[in-house]
Amino acid sequence: AQSVTQLGSHVSVSEGALVLLRCNYSSSVPPYLFWYVQYPNQGLQLLLKYTTGATLVKGINGFEAEFKKSETSFHLTKPSAHMSDAAEYFCAVSSASGGSYIPTFGRGTSLIVHP
Amino acid sequence: KAGVTQTPRYLIKTRGQQVTLSCSPISGHRSVSWYQQTPGQGLQFLFEYFSETQRNKGNFPGRFSGRQFSNSRSEMNVSTLELGDSALYLCASSPMGRENTEAFFGQGTRLTVV
Repeated sequence: AQSVTQLGSHVSVSEGALVLLRCNYSSSVPPYLFWYVQYPNQGLQLLLKYTTGATLVKGINGFEAEFKKSETSFHLTKPSAHMSDAAEYFCAVSSASGGSYIPTFGRGTSLIVHP
Repeated sequence: KAGVTQTPRYLIKTRGQQVTLSCSPISGHRSVSWYQQTPGQGLQFLFEYFSETQRNKGNFPGRFSGRQFSNSRSEMNVSTLELGDSALYLCASSPMGRENTEAFFGQGTRLTVV
């Protein structure tokens, strides 16, 4: 079985500050990890994904995430927040465990950016 | 390349009615998945279709059903609507539906049951 825990349902930062959204996963086999962003009344858009290889993954809009196997974490960061980053962020894990590859999503973290 | 298209975008139905939602995947994508998103439960997987066959199913009652056509377009149906079915229903398509492939999401259908 696989699962995802996103720490903090809301994260508030000032514009220009560091963004850190936390994600821990559980998977019995090597995981594939994803971060998605959702703007109000929109679908989810992929920010970045980790499959194999380099553990530091760069995505769109200046976001990046680091896969740490020993900590079972895949935290999302951005050096400097912008007002347009305000949205809901979802971490997801997918693996071949049990023959099902359907991604499991975390509950989401709402990023609030203050001017 | 056109993205995933869901119709309609908004829908208001009365308890007890049934509803059909439509999803057109990205051209060439054969896997279509459906999710229900609510503030209380988050994103919950409904079912996944691949080449017109339901390949995976989430933990939802039989009132929720779906199908996929030969052109990969998919529909989901909810019968005997309940107030708790009010949600954003998201459709996602993938090229092969493997564990390392991303899902491309549509904008969703906002269903309100009154």
